[in-house]
Amino acid sequence: QSVLTQPPSASGTPGQRVIISCSGSSSNIGNNYVFWYQQLPGTAPKLLFNNNNQRPSGVPDRFSGSKSGTSASLAISGLRSEDEADYYCASWDDSLSGWVFGGGTKLTVL
Amino acid sequence: EVQLVESGGGLVKPGGSLRLSCAASGFIFNNAWMNWVRQAPGKGLEWVGRIKSKTDGGTTDYAAPVKGRFTISRDDSKDTMYLQMNSLKTEDTAVYYCTTNGVHYGSGSYYYYYYGMDVWGQGTTVTVSS
Repeated sequence: QSVLTQPPSASGTPGQRVIISCSGSSSNIGNNYVFWYQQLPGTAPKLLFNNNNQRPSGVPDRFSGSKSGTSASLAISGLRSEDEADYYCASWDDSLSGWVFGGGTKLTVL
Repeated sequence: EVQLVESGGGLVKPGGSLRLSCAASGFIFNNAWMNWVRQAPGKGLEWVGRIKSKTDGGTTDYAAPVKGRFTISRDDSKDTMYLQMNSLKTEDTAVYYCTTNGVHYGSGSYYYYYYGMDVWGQGTTVTVSS
């Protein structure tokens, strides 16, 4: 059982906008930064963007994040087939004194 | 180029021990706070623990499932972090990733929490099975 809650799956057609949610509590998302990772099959997770909205090379600005209270969301606009991957949210948890992750959302591009 | 390379994975019997290494390059390792994250087959990501820089005390923190069995250490002269795993259980079977936070920008607690785990190694596989 993950500390942060994500839907196990999401889907969309090319060009659509998809939103993936991440729900936590005051000890993590409510008081700390939230990070989003993309994991392609057989590869290490990759941070999509940081708090300065800087992105690693190759990550397009179609990916964006937002936070409200103890929840966060990742929006992917202009969906492309190469966006098919697993997506994880993460945050520091003050009560557990460690990083916590969501269970991951498998995104399918139909 | 900032890079992390894990090694030391393999097959070990339940109750056995294994030591993983994470070799760092491209940044000032002795200033960096480092983490281990694991991923069981077909499962999500799980933070294992971290070690702070010696400047910031060199202390360690661990996730509950590994506390008392796993030990994180570092050798700044070799730019290497280690994960000593003892009393291994079948549920420790996973890919183990080495990560670090914000080393492109600075060091210390502010960068650790503000930039998150933004550098990852390729992972090393640990299989615990009889």
